[in-house]
Amino acid sequence: KAGVTQTPRYLIKTRGQQVTLSCSPISGHRSVSWYQQTPGQGLQFLFEYFSETQRNKGNFPGRFSGRQFSNSRSEMNVSTLELGDSALYLCASSLGAAGTDGQYFGPGTRLTVT
Amino acid sequence: GEDVEQSLFLSVREGDSSVINCTYTDSSSTYLYWYKQEPGAGLQLLTYIFSNMDMKQDQRLTVLLNKKDKHLSLRIADTQTGDSAIYFCAESMGSNYQLIWGAGTKLIIKP
Repeated sequence: KAGVTQTPRYLIKTRGQQVTLSCSPISGHRSVSWYQQTPGQGLQFLFEYFSETQRNKGNFPGRFSGRQFSNSRSEMNVSTLELGDSALYLCASSLGAAGTDGQYFGPGTRLTVT
Repeated sequence: GEDVEQSLFLSVREGDSSVINCTYTDSSSTYLYWYKQEPGAGLQLLTYIFSNMDMKQDQRLTVLLNKKDKHLSLRIADTQTGDSAIYFCAESMGSNYQLIWGAGTKLIIKP
């Protein structure tokens, strides 16, 4: 089976712009979670989608949003980008809900905000 | 509160055993996980243990769970240079199985 894929792998944006990141889970997996990873804050949970519904949400401002499509693919959007949004954004999929099953991570999207 | 704690660094000699420790706070945790992250890559699921188990072994990896002390450890036997990575532990807790992550332990291998 193909692993979790994320596009794009690298992205450079300017403050104030918006960005959309995409994640394709492993075939058959229904849960997709998003994480932000930075050297200073470590791994921070953004949200989890399961069967197109947001199941869990981390402590991020409303500028961060996501959605999941009927084929389980997920997108994450960040509006009004700030310098502090520069990070590696990781997507993970699991067969069952996250936390009941091991998660499989994609390689991440490296976002740089200038 | 909810917290998972890990030491930030561990240095071991090649060929020795590595023991990476993790403490968690929620006694109702149901699953506990170990993940590995190599430089420039996403996280890789290594193993996980149910809270009703004390130990799980998988080739060179041994997970020990002490529920009384809320302590989880990952032992890597015969540590190799390829084991150099950051190791994260995570617990799932609550009726919604929310995942709480540790900050990660960087394993450094000395020749």
